[in-house]
Amino acid sequence: KAGVTQTPRYLIKTRGQQVTLSCSPISGHRSVSWYQQTPGQGLQFLFEYFSETQRNKGNFPGRFSGRQFSNSRSEMNVSTLELGDSALYLCASSNGGVRQNIQYFGAGTRLSVL
Amino acid sequence: QKEVEQDPGPLSVPEGAIVSLNCTYSNSAFQYFMWYRQYSRKGPELLMYTYSSGNKEDGRFTAQVDKSSKYISLFIRDSQPSDSATYLCAVSNTGNQFYFGTGTSLTVIP
Repeated sequence: KAGVTQTPRYLIKTRGQQVTLSCSPISGHRSVSWYQQTPGQGLQFLFEYFSETQRNKGNFPGRFSGRQFSNSRSEMNVSTLELGDSALYLCASSNGGVRQNIQYFGAGTRLSVL
Repeated sequence: QKEVEQDPGPLSVPEGAIVSLNCTYSNSAFQYFMWYRQYSRKGPELLMYTYSSGNKEDGRFTAQVDKSSKYISLFIRDSQPSDSATYLCAVSNTGNQFYFGTGTSLTVIP
């Protein structure tokens, strides 16, 4: 079974630009969550999508948005990039159910904002 | 108060030592407890998963949950240099929200 796939692996952008990151979950998983990881803050929850609907949301500004498609693939968009957005962005998929709900992570997209 | 607190370390031990990694959590409603291992420049990989209280063993790894103290632990026996990584604890309830510790950096010295 293929794991969680994130593309691209690395991105370099400049301040003010926007970026779109992609995540393909494990086959059969309907929940996709996005996290920002930085050395100082650890893993910060951005949002979770389940069956194309945003089900949970973290405490990030509206510049961070996402969506999920009918095949469970998800994209995350960051507009008007700031230097502080430089981080490893991780996607995790799970079955989204009540029991045995375990998250599996992709390798991440490392975003550098110059 | 953060949902999960984890000592960031860093922790440095000689090869063969027993390693103890710990987290505390704030909400007694959490029922699912996980440990992830993250190597440098990689995503976290699931190491151990426990539901409710008790111990779970997998090879050299033992996960322990004490719900009365809201305390979770990961023990690594006979530690190896390949165990050098950052270890993240995570908790979850049935609401599908996961909360992660900040991670403990472990180095096992040959």
